[in-house]
Amino acid sequence: EAGVTQSPTHLIKTRGQQATLRCSPISGHTSVYWYQQALGLGLQFLLWYDEGEERNRGNFPPRFSGRQFPNYSSELNVNALELEDSALYLCASSPGEAGREQYFGPGTRLTVT
Amino acid sequence: AQSVTQLDSQVPVFEEAPVELRCNYSSSVSVYLFWYVQYPNQGLQLLLKYLSGSTLVKGINGFEAEFNKSQTSFHLRKPSVHISDTAEYFCAVTRTTGGYQKVTFGTGTKLQVIP
Repeated sequence: EAGVTQSPTHLIKTRGQQATLRCSPISGHTSVYWYQQALGLGLQFLLWYDEGEERNRGNFPPRFSGRQFPNYSSELNVNALELEDSALYLCASSPGEAGREQYFGPGTRLTVT
Repeated sequence: AQSVTQLDSQVPVFEEAPVELRCNYSSSVSVYLFWYVQYPNQGLQLLLKYLSGSTLVKGINGFEAEFNKSQTSFHLRKPSVHISDTAEYFCAVTRTTGGYQKVTFGTGTKLQVIP
């Protein structure tokens, strides 16, 4: 069974540009979560999608947005990039049932210069 | 409100020694508890989980954790660590209320195994 995949592996952008990160969940999983892992700041929850709907978002500005497609894959968009957006962005999927663990992808390393 | 506290940001331990990584949580409702491990330049991997039943949970790689409801703790233990256990460990709490699921991760504990 294929795990969670993310693309690209690395992404280099300049300040002010837009970044698009993609995630494909494990087959059969309906929930997708996005996290930001910046150096020294641990795992910060960004967004949760389930069945195509945004269910919850973390304490991030509106320039962080995303969507979930009918096949449950997801996209994270970051507009007007700032230097502090440089981080590892992790995607996770789960079956969406209560109490189920999350399965993580390898992440996308975003560098903003 | 729901929160997870990992008191130790870094834990150095000698190879073959025992280790305990601490996790405390607060929540007004019942929760599910997880430990994840992150090896360098990789995503997180599930070590073990507590949903219900026996309070002692065994996971992969020889790790175990004990759920203590009265102390709201879920500490992770291993009786003898190996160099390959060097990684960052995250405790996580999930609660579901009325179909609304909230997941909170701790800030992580870096385990450094010294040869």
